[in-house]
Amino acid sequence: AQTVTQSQPEMSVQEAETVTLSCTYDTSESNYYLFWYKQPPSRQMILVIRQEAYKQQNATENRFSVNFQKAAKSFSLKISDSQLGDTAMYFCASLNFGNEKLTFGTGTRLTIIP
Amino acid sequence: EAGVVQSPRYKIIEKKQPVAFWCNPISGHNTLYWYRQNLGQGPELLIRYENEEAVDDSQLPKDRFSAERLKGVDSTLKIQPAELGDSAVYLCASSSGQLVAGANVLTFGAGSRLTVL
Repeated sequence: AQTVTQSQPEMSVQEAETVTLSCTYDTSESNYYLFWYKQPPSRQMILVIRQEAYKQQNATENRFSVNFQKAAKSFSLKISDSQLGDTAMYFCASLNFGNEKLTFGTGTRLTIIP
Repeated sequence: EAGVVQSPRYKIIEKKQPVAFWCNPISGHNTLYWYRQNLGQGPELLIRYENEEAVDDSQLPKDRFSAERLKGVDSTLKIQPAELGDSAVYLCASSSGQLVAGANVLTFGAGSRLTVL
C-alpha cells in the first residue's frame, strides 16, 4: 500500500520569499512517480511538477523545484520568489507503476502574504 | 480547448435523496476518473474507466454509488440514497492514457460540491 504524508497543515510566507513544503511517502514499488498538485480556491487541481523515481536529477519548472531524496522517501517542493497567485492548497501524490493508483497526501495550505 | 467539465458545481440535498454528477472529459481522453475529496483531505479514487470499461472500482461503495460511462465519453456518478457522510467534493479527471506511460498527465475538473443535510 502507498501512503503519502504531509506534516505541515498550513504555512505562510511573505511575497517574494522562498518556501519549502514537505512530503514523505512510503511504497514497496521500485518504479513510481511523485507529483505536486496545486488546488486554488476555485477547486481545480493543477499539476505543478512531476518526478520520475528512476531519475536522480531533481525536477524543475520555472520557480518550482523539488528535492527528491529517494532513500529517505522524501519529496519536498520549493517555491522561489513566491507570488500572491501561489496561495492555494498543495497536495503531494505518488503513483505506483503497478496499479495506476494516484495516492494523495492531506495537503498543505499555503498563504502568500502581500 | 475546453477542459474537464463537471456539473453541477454545487448541490444541496436532504439525506436519503438521490443525486447525480456529470462529467465531460477532454476530447480524446479515453481514461476517466472519479475522485471524492472530503473536507481537509486529499482526493481518493472512487472509480477509473478506460473507454467504457470500469477497470478499477474497488473503492466505490457499491451499495449506494453507481457510475456509468456510456459510449466511452461522458460519465455520470450517482448516489442513491445519499447519507450525511457523503458530503464532499466529487472530482472528475481524465487522461489520454495510462499515467505510468510517462507523457500522460491527469487533468481535473473543478468538482461538484455536495452537501447532504
